[in-house]
Amino acid sequence: DAKTTQPNSMESNEEEPVHLPCNHSTISGTDYIHWYRQLPSQGPEYVIHGLTSNVNNRMASLAIAEDRKSSTLILHRATLRDAAVYYCILRDVRFDYGGSQGNLIFGKGTKLSVKP
Amino acid sequence: DGGITQSPKYLFRKEGQNVTLSCEQNLNHDAMYWYRQDPGQGLRLIYYSQIVNDFQKGDIAEGYSVSREKKESFPLTVTSAQKNPTAFYLCASSVQGTYNEQFFGPGTRLTVL
Repeated sequence: DAKTTQPNSMESNEEEPVHLPCNHSTISGTDYIHWYRQLPSQGPEYVIHGLTSNVNNRMASLAIAEDRKSSTLILHRATLRDAAVYYCILRDVRFDYGGSQGNLIFGKGTKLSVKP
Repeated sequence: DGGITQSPKYLFRKEGQNVTLSCEQNLNHDAMYWYRQDPGQGLRLIYYSQIVNDFQKGDIAEGYSVSREKKESFPLTVTSAQKNPTAFYLCASSVQGTYNEQFFGPGTRLTVL
């Protein structure tokens, strides 16, 4: 079972910021928060990951609540190309070198629509 | 260019036939994975391999088989025992110990007629 909860869908306007929420109330101290996205008819691609501190990269920012029970993926300026399904996934870093507990568990994610 | 290739992109199979999906990577990754995706659903793990000549069942391995004879190749066979094989199949690879960021191929859409 996925250990995260995300809204089924969200809408955004082009060139506006988008905040995609994720709840993970049962997160453990060794769980990293990963985000992937899947464009239509393509394989998923990695977006960002973090543990406790907020993270930024060229694609997005990840804001992590102080109690780590929720996080938000932020797209600063949505483009039409950002329309995709976004998956929030917890992954236990203790299993970086093996073990089924280290596998990614994909839920249904949030389908983001971007309007021109 | 480094990456993962899957072939073919679309595959049609008659009921009762086995079919093998190809997955090749030139990223020098140790770990490889096979996922299945049904319409409107997330990905489900079929099999994974963390090293050559070794692989483990995922959550939905029944009706599927794999081999890992070479580091760069991880073919998936969908056997006639798989009751609902029509789906989108995705292959991925990752480096162990680097947060296991997975790189995915473009997928193969299998349709059983």
